[in-house]
Amino acid sequence: KAGVTQTPRYLIKTRGQQVTLSCSPISGHRSVSWYQQTPGQGLQFLFEYFSETQRNKGNFPGRFSGRQFSNSRSEMNVSTLELGDSALYLCASSWTRDRAYEQYFGPGTRLTVT
Amino acid sequence: AQSVTQLDSQVPVFEEAPVELRCNYSSSVSVYLFWYVQYPNQGLQLLLKYLSGSTLVKGINGFEAEFNKSQTSFHLRKPSVHISDTAEYFCAVSQNRDDKIIFGKGTRLHILP
Repeated sequence: KAGVTQTPRYLIKTRGQQVTLSCSPISGHRSVSWYQQTPGQGLQFLFEYFSETQRNKGNFPGRFSGRQFSNSRSEMNVSTLELGDSALYLCASSWTRDRAYEQYFGPGTRLTVT
Repeated sequence: AQSVTQLDSQVPVFEEAPVELRCNYSSSVSVYLFWYVQYPNQGLQLLLKYLSGSTLVKGINGFEAEFNKSQTSFHLRKPSVHISDTAEYFCAVSQNRDDKIIFGKGTRLHILP
């Protein structure tokens, strides 16, 4: 069974631009969560989608948004990029939202904002 | 709000020696605890989790952790580390079974030859 895939793996953007990152969960998984990882703040929860609906949200500004499609694939969008948005963005999928079921992480998208 | 504190940002340990990585969480009526490992340039992988039942939880790669409610701790241990255990380890908590997972800032484990 294929793992969680994230595209692109690396991305360089300029301040003020917007960016869209994609996550394809493991086949059959319906829950997708997004995290931002930086050296200073560690792993921070962005949001979680299940059955195309946002179920949980972290403490990030409205510039960060996401969506989930009927095939469970998810995208996150960051508008008006700032230098501080440079980070590794990780996506994780799970069969359900019940934490008894393991979350499987993708390799991440490394975003650099210049 | 739930929070997790990993007391050591880096832990050096000699190969074949035991190791303990410390984790404390903010108290809550119910809590679900996790340890994840991140190898260089990879995503995270679940090592073990505590949902209920026995307070001693065994995970993959010879790791185990003990849930201590009175001390609000969930320390990770391995009796003998190997060079392949070099990685960053994250403790995490969820307040409910469908709540968001909050991660600690991680502990880098350095294995010395």
